[in-house]
Amino acid sequence: AQSVTQLGSHVSVSEGALVLLRCNYSSSVPPYLFWYVQYPNQGLQLLLKYTTGATLVKGINGFEAEFKKSETSFHLTKPSAHMSDAAEYFCAVTSNYQLIWGAGTKLIIKP
Amino acid sequence: GAVVSQHPSRVICKSGTSVKIECRSLDFQATTMFWYRQFPKQSLMLMATSNEGSKATYEQGVEKDKFLINHASLTLSTLTVTSAHPEDSSFYICSARDPDLVSEQFFGPGTRLTVL
Repeated sequence: AQSVTQLGSHVSVSEGALVLLRCNYSSSVPPYLFWYVQYPNQGLQLLLKYTTGATLVKGINGFEAEFKKSETSFHLTKPSAHMSDAAEYFCAVTSNYQLIWGAGTKLIIKP
Repeated sequence: GAVVSQHPSRVICKSGTSVKIECRSLDFQATTMFWYRQFPKQSLMLMATSNEGSKATYEQGVEKDKFLINHASLTLSTLTVTSAHPEDSSFYICSARDPDLVSEQFFGPGTRLTVL
């Protein structure tokens, strides 16, 4: 069965610093991978996705993620954190067209 | 991009009453919609998969008689929480899959249900 692990339920970075949110998955077949962001009391917004092709994927709001098959990872990064990036971030992988979710990582931005 | 709406965004009801939540795909026809429940500070829990014109497929542990799902058209799915109790209070989120983009789900903004 597929699973998704997000390392760190909370990540705190200073404004302007690098953001790194970790996601590892287990899958027996080539996966489709997603990062979603959720602001308080709101639904989910797709940040970026990997399906096929280039392993470095660029998304909205300056985020990007790299699919590393050998490491079964899909870590999310942003070079410079902004206060507006404070939110919950979810990594997900598809399985039979359903999404398998990580537990989420709350990103805290320190002024 | 594909847009999914949910109504209402917030609802407060008395224990024992039923509440209906609507999920609509606004600019595409969704053959499949999903209903999720999210507890505070937790990830999404898939409740059921709804296919247009057929019965929903419920995940293990989800009471189908309590959470009634109807997907009567290609743009509308409804979730009815019957005889609601305080423990049903939660954030309910729907998503829809565009047949032309089968790898992706588009999410509604969610409905905050509070049962008194």
